[in-house]
Amino acid sequence: AQKITQTQPGMFVQEKEAVTLDCTYDTSDQSYGLFWYKQPSSGEMIFLIYQGSYDEQNATEGRYSLNFQKARKSANLVISASQLGDSAMYFCAMRERYTGNQFYFGTGTSLTVIP
Amino acid sequence: DVKVTQSSRYLVKRTGEKVFLECVQDMDHENMFWYRQDPGLGLRLIYFSYDVKMKEKGDIPEGYSVSREKKERFSLILESASTNQTSMYLCASSLSETYEQYFGPGTRLTVT
Repeated sequence: AQKITQTQPGMFVQEKEAVTLDCTYDTSDQSYGLFWYKQPSSGEMIFLIYQGSYDEQNATEGRYSLNFQKARKSANLVISASQLGDSAMYFCAMRERYTGNQFYFGTGTSLTVIP
Repeated sequence: DVKVTQSSRYLVKRTGEKVFLECVQDMDHENMFWYRQDPGLGLRLIYFSYDVKMKEKGDIPEGYSVSREKKERFSLILESASTNQTSMYLCASSLSETYEQYFGPGTRLTVT
């Protein structure tokens, strides 16, 4: 079974609008971390935001927030006030605390911001 | 700032050649990782290392080996390159299981 599922291969959003990128995960661990990364066309992977499984509040970092719904095992990324520079691939990832140091990545969502 | 560097951005090798991809990090991270990235498949873990001389297989270790003789350096070795190993290779490092990974710029390897 896939550890991380991103069901949206491509998304479009109008500049200045908000957009939600979906991510669901599969784990039986109680302790884990969830991450979102951005990969522009240049190829570098940029860390955006982190949510721990025991964190009660949703993580926020500037225009990025993580809508964490533990019971549904979802960790959606919300980007507010989209900018042209947000056009990129976005990857959701998970790290389980007690089953090794491995990170699991989803297949990514390609976001295009339309002027 | 954490810096993860990879020896080459672009590399072209012939089938059967032995290929070395080098990765160096400057933040004293214990954990280092090698991934390959292919369109539609996301990032797939090849190997990771949680300490010097320690290594663990990831999801797709076949055809690859690794070496970690020093904490800051993690090498990926393609013993006999094949065309199906043409891909983008990303190296990453992290401090512990609760911290994010920092990635290098990637090496785009073409095997002809």
